[in-house]
Amino acid sequence: QKEVEQDPGPLSVPEGAIVSLNCTYSNSAFQYFMWYRQYSRKGPELLMYTYSSGNKEDGRFTAQVDKSSKYISLFIRDSQPSDSATYLCAVNAGGTSYGKLTFGQGTILTVHP
Amino acid sequence: ETGVTQTPRHLVMGMTNKKSLKCEQHLGHNAMYWYKQSAKKPLELMFVYNFKEQTENNSVPSRFSPECPNSSHLFLHLHTLQPEDSALYLCASSQDPGPGEKLFFGSGTQLSVL
Repeated sequence: QKEVEQDPGPLSVPEGAIVSLNCTYSNSAFQYFMWYRQYSRKGPELLMYTYSSGNKEDGRFTAQVDKSSKYISLFIRDSQPSDSATYLCAVNAGGTSYGKLTFGQGTILTVHP
Repeated sequence: ETGVTQTPRHLVMGMTNKKSLKCEQHLGHNAMYWYKQSAKKPLELMFVYNFKEQTENNSVPSRFSPECPNSSHLFLHLHTLQPEDSALYLCASSQDPGPGEKLFFGSGTQLSVL
């Protein structure tokens, strides 16, 4: 079983739609949860960062973590063509797991005008 | 220059060649990382350096040899690679290699091994 499962998509939505991206993980030790966005031919950039359970909102983006079900989500409201990218979830156990992010496979998102 | 810079952006090499990838970070961070991104696979951590000292080697074959002369520069020396080593190699940095650190990535070097 993979430590982090993420549906690779691809996902195609019309401009203005609400997008829901999800990951599940297997290790209850994970405490830090991140979403990275990766544009074509670029490195990943940190989009959202959450510690433990709960919600975090930043503009059109909302990250949710449910540790009881080991499920993390990213919602994008009013999606724009500029949101077209690969979205990677990543988790970290903290403690001595220095910088050892475990990534999902990534979901390819296309927002068409 | 800002952020994390990687050179070259693209590299094609034969299995008998020796080449090096270079990474430079301008963020004043203390930790640097090499990650490998293969098609249809999650990013895999390769190496972690903290204040120039290697703190993590994620069972990487010896044909990959990292070097960190200072906290701002990181190299990945390549020799006798295999075609399955073709991938995007990403360098990243963080303030410290502590728990939950936020990583900042470069744009990567797209490597093709013939």
